[in-house]
Amino acid sequence: DSGVTQTPKHLITATGQRVTLRCSPRSGDLSVYWYQQSLDQGLQFLIQYYNGEERAKGNILERFSAQQFPDLHSELNLSSLELGDSALYFCASSPSPGTGELFFGEGSRLTVL
Amino acid sequence: QKEVEQDPGPLSVPEGAIVSLNCTYSNSAFQYFMWYRQYSRKGPELLMYTYSSGNKEDGRFTAQVDKSSKYISLFIRDSQPSDSATYLCAPWDTGRRALTFGSGTRLQVQP
Repeated sequence: DSGVTQTPKHLITATGQRVTLRCSPRSGDLSVYWYQQSLDQGLQFLIQYYNGEERAKGNILERFSAQQFPDLHSELNLSSLELGDSALYFCASSPSPGTGELFFGEGSRLTVL
Repeated sequence: QKEVEQDPGPLSVPEGAIVSLNCTYSNSAFQYFMWYRQYSRKGPELLMYTYSSGNKEDGRFTAQVDKSSKYISLFIRDSQPSDSATYLCAPWDTGRRALTFGSGTRLQVQP
């Protein structure tokens, strides 16, 4: 158990809908990362937050947004969903923002029908 | 061309074999080189990492980086069925503050 909690574990929705994925980092970790894992693209970095502020942005679509709250939990919002958004979405937290030592949750599997 | 290239496998070996997993990369800004292991239906977990060029050993695992040839390796000695998983190399770019994952190599260790 990495100590990172993600909910929901599974989510099935329709095209055009909006969903919110939630992540609670490990106790004491200030950095939160979001990654998308699909069969054809592998693990893709979406966005990073550190203590409530956006720190780095990767291949995140404009239809997606995220935030980190004062209690350090984070949410990833996916809107106007398309079939291609079906993937595993991982949250990870880190004790240090500068080394790549990430602790991943078990992921939220999103299926868009 | 992807920044990190990794042979997807699958790689099947008998128990006790020495396994060699490799990646190549193109971005010279990478400084930390991580190896993550991902079991089916689980999140990736950090196995080990090295900083810059050189070797690092941790039990049955040895990570090796050659920055001059942009080549990353992970060796597993005395492989066990419990090592069956997907192994992902993931260099860390301190400038972009992000890991760039390879596509992963699926390893199957046969008992």
